[in-house]
Amino acid sequence: DAGVTQSPTHLIKTRGQHVTLRCSPISGHKSVSWYQQVLGQGPQFIFQYYEKEERGRGNFPDRFSARQFPNYSSELNVNALLLGDSALYLCASSDRAFSGNTIYFGEGSWLTVV
Amino acid sequence: QKEVEQNSGPLSVPEGAIASLNCTYSDRGSQSFFWYRQYSGKSPELIMFIYSNGDKEDGRFTAQLNKASQYVSLLIRDSQPSDSATYLCAVGQSRLYFGRGTQLTVWP
Repeated sequence: DAGVTQSPTHLIKTRGQHVTLRCSPISGHKSVSWYQQVLGQGPQFIFQYYEKEERGRGNFPDRFSARQFPNYSSELNVNALLLGDSALYLCASSDRAFSGNTIYFGEGSWLTVV
Repeated sequence: QKEVEQNSGPLSVPEGAIASLNCTYSDRGSQSFFWYRQYSGKSPELIMFIYSNGDKEDGRFTAQLNKASQYVSLLIRDSQPSDSATYLCAVGQSRLYFGRGTQLTVWP
């Protein structure tokens, strides 16, 4: 069975550009969450979507946005990139709105902003 | 702001020893607690979760929870070099709050 898939795996962007990261959850999972992990830190919650509705938002600026599609895949968009946005972006998939014991992370998208 | 603190590393233990990883949290109302393992350059992998006070064992891993003290720990028995990784403590319901992680090195 396919796990959580994310794309792209690595990318380099220039300050001021925008980026779109994509995530496909495990088949049958309806909840997708996004986390940002800066080097040396634990992951920080950005968004949660369940059944295509936003269920939670972390303390991130409005430059960060996301959406979930009818097939439960999700996109994370970041506008006006800053150097500090360089991080590993993790997508987490779950079959319920909350179910910590069944949250699975994808391999992540490594974003470098130069 | 809910905070999760982990004991500062790095932690280095010899093969076969017990590794003890500790975590405290600020939100007294927290109900769910998780330990993730993260190898360098990889994403976090869930290894244990615990909801009730006391101990929960899974193979070589034991999670311990004390809600009165707002403390959760992970013990790794018979540590192996393959256990060398960063261990993340996470607390939460609909969203997870993570600590900064403790880097564990098990030397042969």
